[in-house]
Amino acid sequence: GAVVSQHPSRVICKSGTSVKIECRSLDFQATTMFWYRQFPKQSLMLMATSNEGSKATYEQGVEKDKFLINHASLTLSTLTVTSAHPEDSSFYICSAPAGDSNQPQHFGDGTRLSIL
Amino acid sequence: QKEVEQDPGPLSVPEGAIVSLNCTYSNSAFQYFMWYRQYSRKGPELLMYTYSSGNKEDGRFTAQVDKSSKYISLFIRDSQPSDSATYLCAMKETGGFKTIFGAGTRLFVKA
Repeated sequence: GAVVSQHPSRVICKSGTSVKIECRSLDFQATTMFWYRQFPKQSLMLMATSNEGSKATYEQGVEKDKFLINHASLTLSTLTVTSAHPEDSSFYICSAPAGDSNQPQHFGDGTRLSIL
Repeated sequence: QKEVEQDPGPLSVPEGAIVSLNCTYSNSAFQYFMWYRQYSRKGPELLMYTYSSGNKEDGRFTAQVDKSSKYISLFIRDSQPSDSATYLCAMKETGGFKTIFGAGTRLFVKA
């Protein structure tokens, strides 16, 4: 089946640090990937849609300067949380459809970010 | 009103029970319906993927879609403690990448 790999799985860092999270599609190409944020015991909140070769599309209320997304190749999208603060602590998950837009999304295992 | 409604639970059942999980939705343009299982501190895992109305079975799991009622279900037969997780329903329109997720139902299967 389609595999999405996310790295790192856990990050603990000091306030003010920038953190980069990688999302890779291992056995398929993904022109579109998605980044979600999930708070404890809550559902997924779509942050942005990452598009290969073009700018990401951000959901309303998501700061594009805070959450930088780069989709440099058909198998890699990165999310950089710039100048992270404790309120950015959360579980970040990426996903990608394995094929055309009618295919379901496959998720990475998430990154738990803790800002001290 | 949310596009997708799902009871967050928690739902607690004894081992071996049949579990019924449900979602309702309001957008009649939804054509693709998914169920994901999410263990604690992990990403969601695709369980079932169906198109339009009807039933789909995979092992102990059966997905049902009733588009006339805008209602989807996931049944788990012979539930096991390892089925304890959060189950998310999801759906989307034809030709669109954007997927709408339910809130997720927390399921506990007691041994």
